[in-house]
Amino acid sequence: EVQLLESGGGLVQPGGSLRLSCAASGFTFSAYALSWVRQAPGKGLEWVSAISGGTVNTFYADFVRGRFTISRDNSKNTMYLQMNSLSAEDTAVYYCAKDHGWLPVYWGQGTLVTVSS
Amino acid sequence: ESVLTQSPGTLSLSPGERATLSCRASQSVSNNYLAWYQQKPGQAPRLLIYDASTRATGIPDRFSGSGSGTDFTLTISRLEPEDFAVYYCQHYGSSPRTFGQGTKVEIK
Repeated sequence: EVQLLESGGGLVQPGGSLRLSCAASGFTFSAYALSWVRQAPGKGLEWVSAISGGTVNTFYADFVRGRFTISRDNSKNTMYLQMNSLSAEDTAVYYCAKDHGWLPVYWGQGTLVTVSS
Repeated sequence: ESVLTQSPGTLSLSPGERATLSCRASQSVSNNYLAWYQQKPGQAPRLLIYDASTRATGIPDRFSGSGSGTDFTLTISRLEPEDFAVYYCQHYGSSPRTFGQGTKVEIK
């Protein structure tokens, strides 16, 4: 059974940094691309970033490029999202997802990031 | 960047009725790489349809997807009580893999 467990969310001040983790199990981790998708309170889904499985290619939404960095450690079956220069607009639940091709198929339950002073 | 526009914003229907949701892309979606998701309050999204018209594993056949190019439709043939939720479309053929803003299907 595919399982994805996000962690690392919490309260951070504007301008601060946070690193999210997504621990995976139930599949051959290195063979699949993974994504981060976020959802601000009461709002819709926003695609944030994606990373390929093998040769590591990364992709970002314009609103996070240069501030967020996606990475993965295939030896630990874990994906990360390093988030810097956070603002209130980054407040959201952050979901990780296992992709088939570039299609998010399986989703974790999300971790809440709150940016506030 | 392809922008996805969903309509209507809210659909008020009764159980047993047919729901028709629209997703229009500002650019042609390559290979019809268009997906539909269902999301209920407090839950993660669930994949319903991919490649515009293929049902995901375990999705009931009352859900169907159609369309190509820039115009796509999700149809729920007869609404069940558990179908009242928010529905999102997403293209995944190129980056950024944007979502539509969502359509809420609510009980009339």
